[in-house]
Amino acid sequence: KNQVEQSPQSLIILEGKNCTLQCNYTVSPFSNLRWYKQDTGRGPVSLTIMTFSENTKSNGRYTATLDADTKQSSLHITASQLSDSASYICVVRRGSTLGRLYFGRGTQLTVWP
Amino acid sequence: ETGVTQTPRHLVMGMTNKKSLKCEQHLGHNAMYWYKQSAKKPLELMFVYSLEERVENNSVPSRFSPECPNSSHLFLHLHTLQPEDSALYLCASSQDPGRGMNTEAFFGQGTRLTVV
Repeated sequence: KNQVEQSPQSLIILEGKNCTLQCNYTVSPFSNLRWYKQDTGRGPVSLTIMTFSENTKSNGRYTATLDADTKQSSLHITASQLSDSASYICVVRRGSTLGRLYFGRGTQLTVWP
Repeated sequence: ETGVTQTPRHLVMGMTNKKSLKCEQHLGHNAMYWYKQSAKKPLELMFVYSLEERVENNSVPSRFSPECPNSSHLFLHLHTLQPEDSALYLCASSQDPGRGMNTEAFFGQGTRLTVV
C-alpha cells in the first residue's frame, strides 16, 4: 500500500532553536519527494524537491535529506523563526503517473518567542 | 502568490444549495487538480484534468461535479452537500510532459467550505 507517514504529529520549539521533521514512505515506484509548508488557511508552498539520486538539498534555513534505500526523508530547520510556525507536509510522487501524489498528514510546528 | 487563484476564499452553504468553486491559473500548465483537505487528514485527491480531459476521478460522490472548460480554468460544482463535506478545497496545477520527473504542483489558497 502506498503511504506516507510523518512524525512527530506536532512540535513546539523556542525561537532560534533547530528542529528535524521525519517522513517515511512506502510509495513505489518512487519519482520524487517534496516538502511543502502550509500556513493556516492557505495552500501548500513547495520548499524542496528530492529525486532518487539526491541525498541532501538546502533552501535557506531548510535542509532536506533523502535515503531512498530506507525510504526516509527529513527536513531540518535551522535557527527557527516565528514565521516558521506552519504545517510541514511530505509529498511523494509515484513514478510516471500523472497526479499521483501521496501526502503525509503533516507536522504542525509552532515556534514560540 | 503561486499563480493559482481560487474563489471564493470562504463559502457557507446550506445542504440544498448549489454553488461553484473556481480555480484559475496563468502558469501555462496543462494539468489541474482538485484536492480536499479535512481537519487532521492528509490531502485527498479528488479529480485530475490533463489537457482539459478528466483523467482521474477518485471515487468522489456525484454531488461534486468538476468542469474544465480550458487549460486555465477549473470549476467544482457543488449540490446537495452534506455537513461532512465541510473542508478546505484546494486547486493545484502542474506541467506534466507525460513522464515528468520534477513537475511541481502549485497550489491555490483554497476555499474554506462550510456546509450547514
